[in-house]
Amino acid sequence: EAQVTQNPRYLITVTGKKLTVTCSQNMNHEYMSWYRQDPGLGLRQIYYSMNVEVTDKGDVPEGYKVSRKEKRNFPLILESPSPNQTSLYFCASSKQPGTPNQPQHFGDGTRLSIL
Amino acid sequence: QQPVQSPQAVILREGEDAVINCSSSKALYSVHWYRQKHGEAPVFLMILLKGGEQKGHEKISASFNEKKQQSSLYLTASQLSYSGTYFCGTEPSSYKYIFGTGTRLKVLA
Repeated sequence: EAQVTQNPRYLITVTGKKLTVTCSQNMNHEYMSWYRQDPGLGLRQIYYSMNVEVTDKGDVPEGYKVSRKEKRNFPLILESPSPNQTSLYFCASSKQPGTPNQPQHFGDGTRLSIL
Repeated sequence: QQPVQSPQAVILREGEDAVINCSSSKALYSVHWYRQKHGEAPVFLMILLKGGEQKGHEKISASFNEKKQQSSLYLTASQLSYSGTYFCGTEPSSYKYIFGTGTRLKVLA
């Protein structure tokens, strides 16, 4: 089954303790992206990756890191989490943007609480 | 800047129609529409690639007015399953992606 898998689904942690949210897709998609979703603000792009070893900032990259060492994986790293990073996070993948009719496929989300 | 959606929220009875608008202050080169049910991931509905294009899936259709930098989603004879939050999305540059502010839709029996 074609899917995007995120782990963990839920995480409660404390300020300053490094954490990684993993994302993996099995559709051989070139493009992967991370979003955070906050009430009233919709989905905002954090980072995206056009292909292996190629990443760039979205609209809200501060406090986050990403890497793309393999095509299928795109982990989101919070080196020193703070309470304002408490949010619902989604990973998504698609074929290369610019190719007609390429929807994004979303993972089930990770609800992150930082105390 | 995020595309602005209107209305922010709407409540319907089953069988009623609704229109959700998505307006951008910048040029729109394509518009994507997604629906997100509570506690779930957004699910793709449709993409409109050029001005004047209209698409439909069952009783949900959309139009794209490139000149007005606006897209509208039309829900006809709404069903309970249409409840959720609807997002428009666009690609302001080749690889960046921006979603609209979202419209919460609730269909009542």
